[in-house]
Amino acid sequence: GAGVSQSPSNKVTEKGKDVELRCDPISGHTALYWYRQSLGQGLEFLIYFQGNSAPDKSGLPSDRFSAERTGGSVSTLTIQRTQQEDSAVYLCASSKGVTSPLHFGNGTRLTVT
Amino acid sequence: QKEVEQNSGPLSVPEGAIASLNCTYSDRGSQSFFWYRQYSGKSPELIMFIYSNGDKEDGRFTAQLNKASQYVSLLIRDSQPSDSATYLCALPRDSSASKIIFGSGTRLSIRP
Repeated sequence: GAGVSQSPSNKVTEKGKDVELRCDPISGHTALYWYRQSLGQGLEFLIYFQGNSAPDKSGLPSDRFSAERTGGSVSTLTIQRTQQEDSAVYLCASSKGVTSPLHFGNGTRLTVT
Repeated sequence: QKEVEQNSGPLSVPEGAIASLNCTYSDRGSQSFFWYRQYSGKSPELIMFIYSNGDKEDGRFTAQLNKASQYVSLLIRDSQPSDSATYLCALPRDSSASKIIFGSGTRLSIRP
């Protein structure tokens, strides 16, 4: 079956512009995560959705970052007024539930110039 | 203490030897443990998961879990150059099974 799909795979934007990153999880997966990974660094947790529960936004680095998940499926991560330090690979992952392993998408490489 | 701790490495192991990667965690209630492999420039991929104390073997990989001592290990037998990657330990944050958290990863290098 299809895996986690992220789009776009690459995004170059000018400083100050807004960007939207999309994640289409595996069908039936109730949990969805967004992570950020800068070059040579570990995974930085951003936000977590589980079913109909309120999302865990504790990892969002600033109020310029927001995410939503519509209909319990597709998720969009929005970064407003992008800064150069936002440049990173943004990874989405989904799972059947909290005790099940995560399956990652191929990521979106964001470059802010 | 960090919730999940791993030695960042790099860990250098000769080809054909056993590579041993370790992870310690702080929450005694953790029930599920995952090992991911991440090649440079790629996304993490699941290679092993373990739920019970003891060993779980899958090909050249063995996961070892010791809940009393709060550590989980990954052994790679007959190490190959293709095993060179960063290995990430992951588990649910706490016993209420909230979000999965990752260690910072151990970089493994297999030298020919």
